[in-house]
Amino acid sequence: EPEVTQTPSHQVTQMGQEVILRCVPISNHLYFYWYRQILGQKVEFLVSFYNNEISEKSEIFDDQFSVERPDGSNFTLKIRSTKLEDSAMYFCASSPRTEAFFGQGTRLTVV
Amino acid sequence: GENVEQHPSTLSVQEGDSAVIKCTYSDSASNYFPWYKQELGKRPQLIIDIRSNVGEKKDQRIAVTLNKTAKHFSLHITETQPEDSAVYFCAASLDKLIFGTGTRLQVFP
Repeated sequence: EPEVTQTPSHQVTQMGQEVILRCVPISNHLYFYWYRQILGQKVEFLVSFYNNEISEKSEIFDDQFSVERPDGSNFTLKIRSTKLEDSAMYFCASSPRTEAFFGQGTRLTVV
Repeated sequence: GENVEQHPSTLSVQEGDSAVIKCTYSDSASNYFPWYKQELGKRPQLIIDIRSNVGEKKDQRIAVTLNKTAKHFSLHITETQPEDSAVYFCAASLDKLIFGTGTRLQVFP
């Protein structure tokens, strides 16, 4: 069964550094998302991406964040100048239209 | 924007009993309501969903009901088993999923 895959599974970075989280969505899906889950809290919407552009973004998704689909398969989330409060699990999801399927997540730890 | 409330935050039941988790949403335009199960350290897994043109949907031991007028939807798990223990999230969607705060379900043998 096709799955959304994310790399790395765990990333430790120093405060102020840039990180890139990578996702390979399910191949025939058209809609891509990034979500964040701070430990023990709910899953929060960051950004949605369709037709090679951002379709919607949340208040969390400020100028520190950017997304790209650099080729036909990868979907990346870049966080510039990371802060301690960026520490969380970041989930990528893809969808053919409404059902969203999540990757296994990247645990980002900012120290 | 959409806001989803979920109750209870924790729920403990004896194996074999039923469990009910309730959610309310604020945006009447939302038309898709999935439920996700998340085991510790793992990804949210879609377990059942319902669309706004349907009032109830059942899949073996789990069922979901939707009351569009009241903007309520609920997850029902019957004959609970220890492996049902997890955090359950409801979500409401028009074009993106907005999640509830989660319910930690513990099923005791």
